[in-house]
Amino acid sequence: DAKTTQPNSMESNEEEPVHLPCNHSTISGTDYIHWYRQLPSQGPEYVIHGLTSNVNNRMASLAIAEDRKSSTLILHRATLRDAAVYYCILRDVAGGGSNYKLTFGKGTLLTVNP
Amino acid sequence: NAGVTQTPKFRILKIGQSMTLQCTQDMNHNYMYWYRQDPGMGLKLIYYSVGAGITDKGEVPNGYNVSRSTTEDFPLRLELAAPSQTSVYFCASRIGTGGVNQPQHFGDGTRLSIL
Repeated sequence: DAKTTQPNSMESNEEEPVHLPCNHSTISGTDYIHWYRQLPSQGPEYVIHGLTSNVNNRMASLAIAEDRKSSTLILHRATLRDAAVYYCILRDVAGGGSNYKLTFGKGTLLTVNP
Repeated sequence: NAGVTQTPKFRILKIGQSMTLQCTQDMNHNYMYWYRQDPGMGLKLIYYSVGAGITDKGEVPNGYNVSRSTTEDFPLRLELAAPSQTSVYFCASRIGTGGVNQPQHFGDGTRLSIL
């Protein structure tokens, strides 16, 4: 599986935008980029995913570099409730495989200051 | 909207005891998963199931067993508890259709300590 690299931790202030980076220099053409987050004492929750184009949903935006070797999760206005560990995960859709498992790294711990 | 429900939320076991962690989902999802998360680490896959009657090993299956007799339930069994199994256990499910990008839905975890 292609690997991802994320900073261990980041800080932000409430109501300011947050840009969470992820490097994936060995990404293949069939890898989708997924983001999950894990709030304190909870299970992970899906945030967003994309392949090549930038993506937006109600939770966040995903900006993908043109060469796809990096991506950035954007929280437009951080709130205290956004304090969590954010995981960047690559999902290979090629070659089938019925498990569709997720491979989690350590992620980025986001602290939001009031 | 219960989603994925795990019981118990907390448990302390003695070395050598056995227990079953329960997981049930009400979304009619075919795929179900068990992960464990050690302090400061990401989640590691223990077992998964693609449907009733079908299970397979993940990255760290040793010391665990699973069964999947119904679509809704996916219990995880620890037969001889060891201190190395102290962890937080998460169950997840996902729909079986719609492609690989369908998200997994997680429960809130079972915090297990083995002393």
